[in-house]
Amino acid sequence: GENVEQHPSTLSVQEGDSAVIKCTYSDSASNYFPWYKQELGKRPQLIIDIRSNVGEKKDQRIAVTLNKTAKHFSLHITETQPEDSAVYFCAASIGGSQGNLIFGKGTKLSVKP
Amino acid sequence: DARVTQTPRHKVTEMGQEVTMRCQPILGHNTVFWYRQTMMQGLELLAYFRNRAPLDDSGMPKDRFSAEMPDATLATLKIQPSEPRDSAVYFCASGLVLGYDSISYEQYFGPGTRLTVT
Repeated sequence: GENVEQHPSTLSVQEGDSAVIKCTYSDSASNYFPWYKQELGKRPQLIIDIRSNVGEKKDQRIAVTLNKTAKHFSLHITETQPEDSAVYFCAASIGGSQGNLIFGKGTKLSVKP
Repeated sequence: DARVTQTPRHKVTEMGQEVTMRCQPILGHNTVFWYRQTMMQGLELLAYFRNRAPLDDSGMPKDRFSAEMPDATLATLKIQPSEPRDSAVYFCASGLVLGYDSISYEQYFGPGTRLTVT
């Protein structure tokens, strides 16, 4: 079945450094790739997304890149701050479905001051 | 700022008891998803509804779980009887899907119900 692999499972960086989280997906029909941020005890919140007709999208310190040929996409956070510490989930739409997403297992990002 | 709401936020119950979780989707959204989150399995899709009709509940243990949408403003997830392995955070999410040619995959999550079954 469809699958999304996410790496690494944990990531620790110093404040000000960059963080990169990578995901691969299996369904070649996937065309929507969101990233969610979940702070401890809170709900997952959509922070950025990208569609298959775009290779890169940026929003301030956050950027996402997509390589459809290789079936992978990445989240890049620059100039990390302690408030970026959270669990980040990638997801991919399930081709042929009507709005379903399949989620990666998550990356726990810790930004040390 | 419209948000998905869920009740209760926390529930502790004994094995064998019935548990009902409620979700109010964002007004105007026509699709509701139920997820279960655990450390081991991450976010698992249990069931989802479009325009109140169940589209897929293959992620749910059928013998004890049931999901319904009595009306457009309320979705329920029921576990009867509950078991310790059901302990998890249950999230509801809603979205607006306009049509096959313009599918929107954006999902907005509620705050979750943390269920503990002892």
